[in-house]
Amino acid sequence: GAVVSQHPSWVICKSGTSVKIECRSLDFQATTMFWYRQFPKQSLMLMATSNEGSKATYEQGVEKDKFLINHASLTLSTLTVTSAHPEDSSFYICSANVRQNTEAFFGQGTRLTVV
Amino acid sequence: ILNVEQSPQSLHVQEGDSTNFTCSFPSSNFYALHWYRWETAKSPEALFVMTLNGDEKKKGRISATLNTKEGYSYLYIKGSQPEDSATYLCALRNSGNTPLVFGKGTRLSVIA
Repeated sequence: GAVVSQHPSWVICKSGTSVKIECRSLDFQATTMFWYRQFPKQSLMLMATSNEGSKATYEQGVEKDKFLINHASLTLSTLTVTSAHPEDSSFYICSANVRQNTEAFFGQGTRLTVV
Repeated sequence: ILNVEQSPQSLHVQEGDSTNFTCSFPSSNFYALHWYRWETAKSPEALFVMTLNGDEKKKGRISATLNTKEGYSYLYIKGSQPEDSATYLCALRNSGNTPLVFGKGTRLSVIA
């Protein structure tokens, strides 16, 4: 199957700092990537759809100025959590499809802890 | 907002037991139902993508059925093994261009 690589796998940062998470498709090109967040005992919740060469589409309730998404190439999308606060502590995971409407391939996820 | 429900939330079975769990979803505007297996510290791995009412798919000891009219899918594991221990996620896509909506998952523990 296709491979999506995400890093870092975990990060601890101080409140007020910014954290960048990278998501790469290693053996295919992804014009669209998806960013999810999962809080304890909750489901994976879509945050935004990252579109190569254009602006990301954010889900309702997700602040686009706080969660900056850049999809500058067909194999890389980045999510930057700006001015992180403890309530941003969560598990973040990206996914991409080799072809539209087929199964999703996921990164390994990033556990963010803001202290 | 689409609501995808999975039950049970967690399950403990003995090695060799067969087990099954449920994914329920709104039956209107159905496009596809996905099943993923998510082992700790790994990426979720796709098991099945199901699109047709009455679909039944199988991969080794794992199989799944789909009923789009009543809005449910079952995942079956025959002769559970410790390596089957994982969280099993189902996800709904309600049109060709929309993202997946996930359930909370069923956490399976197989005890040797």
